[in-house]
Amino acid sequence: GENVEQHPSTLSVQEGDSAVIKCTYSDSASNYFPWYKQELGKRPQLIIDIRSNVGEKKDQRIAVTLNKTAKHFSLHITETQPEDSAVYFCAASMISGGSNYKLTFGKGTLLTVNP
Amino acid sequence: NAGVTQTPKFRILKIGQSMTLQCTQDMNHNYMYWYRQDPGMGLKLIYYSVGAGITDKGEVPNGYNVSRSTTEDFPLRLELAAPSQTSVYFCASSYLGRPNQPQHFGDGTRLSIL
Repeated sequence: GENVEQHPSTLSVQEGDSAVIKCTYSDSASNYFPWYKQELGKRPQLIIDIRSNVGEKKDQRIAVTLNKTAKHFSLHITETQPEDSAVYFCAASMISGGSNYKLTFGKGTLLTVNP
Repeated sequence: NAGVTQTPKFRILKIGQSMTLQCTQDMNHNYMYWYRQDPGMGLKLIYYSVGAGITDKGEVPNGYNVSRSTTEDFPLRLELAAPSQTSVYFCASSYLGRPNQPQHFGDGTRLSIL
């Protein structure tokens, strides 16, 4: 089955700096890569996702890049703010003809943005 | 829409007891999922369902059972609670049929088994 590795496990940055979280996946058939943000004691919430036919996707201060050849994808947060502090999870899945939409999650990165 | 609703939010069980974690969604999603989240770990899939009457095992199904009699409800059953099942349980749902449909999560059930 799919295996997703996520690094680093913790990341501390100063407000205004950029943060980068990296994930690798094992199954070359995976074609959907979402990122979830989970604040303390709250539910995971989707913040951005990318499909394998796209190399990069941006949404304001957040961007995700995908390298299919190397089987890795990264989350980039620019101009970090204290409210970006949370645990971030990457995930990978294969979507094919409506069957078997199962996400495999990384172990998460605790991001702390220091004011 | 309320989204995905989980009950209870917290529960303490004794070893060997049984209980059902409830999950309901009002978004007419066909896919539903149960995950567990252990401290410092990601979410691991317990069971999932692609529609009423259809369920399948995920990565860590042992000790759990599910049923899906309606589109809206996907309860998770623990028959003989064990300390290893102490965790936070998340239910999620998604609609497959359109591309890029994300999984929507409930608020979780925090379960302690003593």
